Amino acid sequence: GEDVEQSLFLSVREGDSSVINCTYTDSSSTYLYWYKQEPGAGLQLLTYIFSNMDMKQDQRLTVLLNKKDKHLSLRIADTQTGDSAIYFCAENRRSSNTGKLIFGQGTTLQVKP
Amino acid sequence: EAGVAQSPRYKIIEKRQSVAFWCNPISGHATLYWYQQILGQGPKLLIQFQNNGVVDDSQLPKDRFSAERLKGVDSTLKIQPAKLEDSAVYLCASSLDNPGQRFYEQYFGPGTRLTVT
Repeated sequence: GEDVEQSLFLSVREGDSSVINCTYTDSSSTYLYWYKQEPGAGLQLLTYIFSNMDMKQDQRLTVLLNKKDKHLSLRIADTQTGDSAIYFCAENRRSSNTGKLIFGQGTTLQVKP
Repeated sequence: EAGVAQSPRYKIIEKRQSVAFWCNPISGHATLYWYQQILGQGPKLLIQFQNNGVVDDSQLPKDRFSAERLKGVDSTLKIQPAKLEDSAVYLCASSLDNPGQRFYEQYFGPGTRLTVT
């Protein structure tokens, strides 16, 4: 299909790990991104991964990339209430010679104290 | 460093009226993007500028939407006339890089929430 797809909602308890999943469409996408959106705010780039990598770790964040299955995941360790937000994955397709990003519909992460 | 500025933050209009949004990107950023984010969906690119030239406007409904970026800095997005389905958040983003590069860090403004009644 043409769409980047994500599950819509995830609820975890504070201190647990969160895993947000995404499937993308273009196997030749060069970069894949994770953005965070808090209520009433714009999108903030959390992390990204280059397509020749299968894992990237950045403090509490771990990104896993499975190119064969076109599957991307974001793991947040020790999830805090401040992590409650909407998380978007996005791909930059090789067919686009510009910075155009294709976003998923977003996963709402709810962190319960 | 100041972020991407947008105004107004909120706008309520009736259908068939006109509306304009303004964006001031981060100083020195050559590329400017306008996205439409309908409630419950991810942002969708409407138009992309490189300096004051249009790079991609393939998803801009040109019968009612227009955008310009005079002097390659500020940009305005206009809707005339508005329809109910235009209710959305309009996000402006900017990036430092040029087309042809592969990594694009886009910095987003807070958005303008448009309600068409």
